[in-house]
Amino acid sequence: AQTVTQSQPEMSVQEAETVTLSCTYDTSENNYYLFWYKQPPSRQMILVIRQEAYKQQNATENRFSVNFQKAAKSFSLKISDSQLGDTAMYFCAFMYLYSGAGSYQLTFGKGTKLSVIP
Amino acid sequence: SAVISQKPSRDICQRGTSLTIQCQVDSQVTMMFWYRQQPGQSLTLIATANQGSEATYESGFVIDKFPISRPNLTFSTLTVSNMSPEDSSIYLCSILPAPAMGLFFGPGTRLTVL
Repeated sequence: AQTVTQSQPEMSVQEAETVTLSCTYDTSENNYYLFWYKQPPSRQMILVIRQEAYKQQNATENRFSVNFQKAAKSFSLKISDSQLGDTAMYFCAFMYLYSGAGSYQLTFGKGTKLSVIP
Repeated sequence: SAVISQKPSRDICQRGTSLTIQCQVDSQVTMMFWYRQQPGQSLTLIATANQGSEATYESGFVIDKFPISRPNLTFSTLTVSNMSPEDSSIYLCSILPAPAMGLFFGPGTRLTVL
């Protein structure tokens, strides 16, 4: 079974500062995808950034970037120039082709609650 | 990206009743999933509802309790049957347009069972 671990239940950061959220995963798969999702208090799940395991280059989306270490099975999210609107739950997710269902499956970590302080 | 809507957005129900949640997508998609998010928790997959096949349920979820319909490529329903307070959760439908794109989620249905 695939597992995703987010070791930081809660974090806080000053506005305009940089923060890194950690995520590790356990899998025997070689081809998979990794994602970070954001869930503000409004509860809408929003995809922040995606990474394909076969790509060595770390993904970047504006102020969001990842540090993908495949051998270490680590996938951390860095948020630069933090803004008040970044306050949310952040979920790390792992996806692979699940032959049992003939479909892809996404496994989520337990989440990190990030608070951006003015 | 696709627009996903869910109805109802929230509901308060009595124990023992059933609620059907609708998920509508503005484009055709094969892979659709239903998730549950209990208060303060992460997301748990209930079932995979791909069009053209029977829904596949995860361990701990059964068809009698959570029947799913997937009549076409843009629509699905999840019914929560014989509800109890433990079913109080947010229920989210999601789609997978392509693996590299990741899942896209509907806005969720907040269910409270009294």
